[in-house]
Amino acid sequence: GIQVEQSPPDLILQEGANSTLRCNFSDSVNNLQWFHQNPWGQLINLFYIPSGTKQNGRLSATTVATERYSLLYISSSQTTDSGVYFCAGQNSGGSNYKLTFGKGTLLTVNP
Amino acid sequence: DAGVTQSPTHLIKTRGQQVTLRCSPKSGHDTVSWYQQALGQGPQFIFQYYEEEERQRGNFPDRFSGHQFPNYSSELNVNALLLGDSALYLCASSSPGLAGNEQFFGPGTRLTVL
Repeated sequence: GIQVEQSPPDLILQEGANSTLRCNFSDSVNNLQWFHQNPWGQLINLFYIPSGTKQNGRLSATTVATERYSLLYISSSQTTDSGVYFCAGQNSGGSNYKLTFGKGTLLTVNP
Repeated sequence: DAGVTQSPTHLIKTRGQQVTLRCSPKSGHDTVSWYQQALGQGPQFIFQYYEEEERQRGNFPDRFSGHQFPNYSSELNVNALLLGDSALYLCASSSPGLAGNEQFFGPGTRLTVL
């Protein structure tokens, strides 16, 4: 299966700052998703982005499939953005249906 | 449109007991996957059910088993519980059963084994 690496593992920001989270994956994917896990454990879907660029409000994401990485941009961060961000990929080779998650980035936004 | 639902929310068991967790997929979805998330880690894939069959399994022992019903809901059963089974168990659904489709997660069941 694929390996998914996220960086940085921890990030501390002041409210209003911008940030970039990175996800590297070891093989081709037919599914790449970004999630925000809230304090109660719920995984909130941010982006389904196996390739290309998408934007949703202050958040945007870009996946460069040929170079096997994805970036999540958070602009004008707010305290409510705090939490763990996960990247997860699904290998496009063979009959593979599972998402493989990275270890996450713990984001703390201070007021 | 109801999202993925799971029950119960929390569960406390003792070593050696058996537990059953339940999941109802998002409306229109026919595929259910189960993941285990230990504290401080990313979710790990347990298995996926489609057309009432287990079609892929992760690296989990046979103590972990599942079932999918004709209405696409699913159960995860864990036998002979160990302390290490304490975790957040997440259910995800997707459609229409093809590889590569977006997965949506439920709120999880937090299992504590004493």
